[in-house]
Amino acid sequence: QTVVTQEPSFSVSPGGTVTLTCGLSSGSVSTNYYPTWYRQTPGRAPRTLIYSTTSRSSGVPDRFSGSILGNKAALTITGAQTDDESDYYCVLYMGSYWVFGGGTKLTVL
Amino acid sequence: EVQLLESGGGLVQPGGSLRLSCAAAGFIFNTDAMNWVRQAPGKGLEWVSLISGSGDDTYYADSVKGRFTISRDNSKNTLYLQMNSLRAEDTAIYYCAKGSPFGYWGQGTLVTVSS
Repeated sequence: QTVVTQEPSFSVSPGGTVTLTCGLSSGSVSTNYYPTWYRQTPGRAPRTLIYSTTSRSSGVPDRFSGSILGNKAALTITGAQTDDESDYYCVLYMGSYWVFGGGTKLTVL
Repeated sequence: EVQLLESGGGLVQPGGSLRLSCAAAGFIFNTDAMNWVRQAPGKGLEWVSLISGSGDDTYYADSVKGRFTISRDNSKNTLYLQMNSLRAEDTAIYYCAKGSPFGYWGQGTLVTVSS
């Protein structure tokens, strides 16, 4: 069973830059997995940030960017703001199904 | 504006059945794949099932295969999830999500499986 890995938690200072990653328990993430990133605050539905590795969803500020870093997909947030404090999830396409990572709880302080 | 509105959640006993619906608006429904994604209380997201725009192709997570059936009625712009043989571990908020990957999400409907 494929496991998608994310850092359980991360902390960043206001105004700082943070990179969250999305890997595979076995193998490397490439654009062929169409890595997609979501942000979720408590009690709310997820919101799409980045799709297909690097494409920013409508209305998402350019402080959010996606890439492949080494063997993982990455979400970079520059100029972190206090309201960026959320859970961040990645999802990878496995050919006929999708697998989410366990999520990263981002703290901004 | 894309709108997705789930309904049909509730309390059901283990072994019971439930059918979820997702009413869609604001886009050409039959051109988009649709998904169900769930989130157990306090846990992460789990993809459940996908159906193609035509309804001809369906896919399921191993955890629900053989118990859940995804379908759609393109004449009614509605997505469904028939859930049978429900287990306690199926307790979750169920979201419908448009596209592959999931560009737009509904607000979810809570399914609780408990005796």
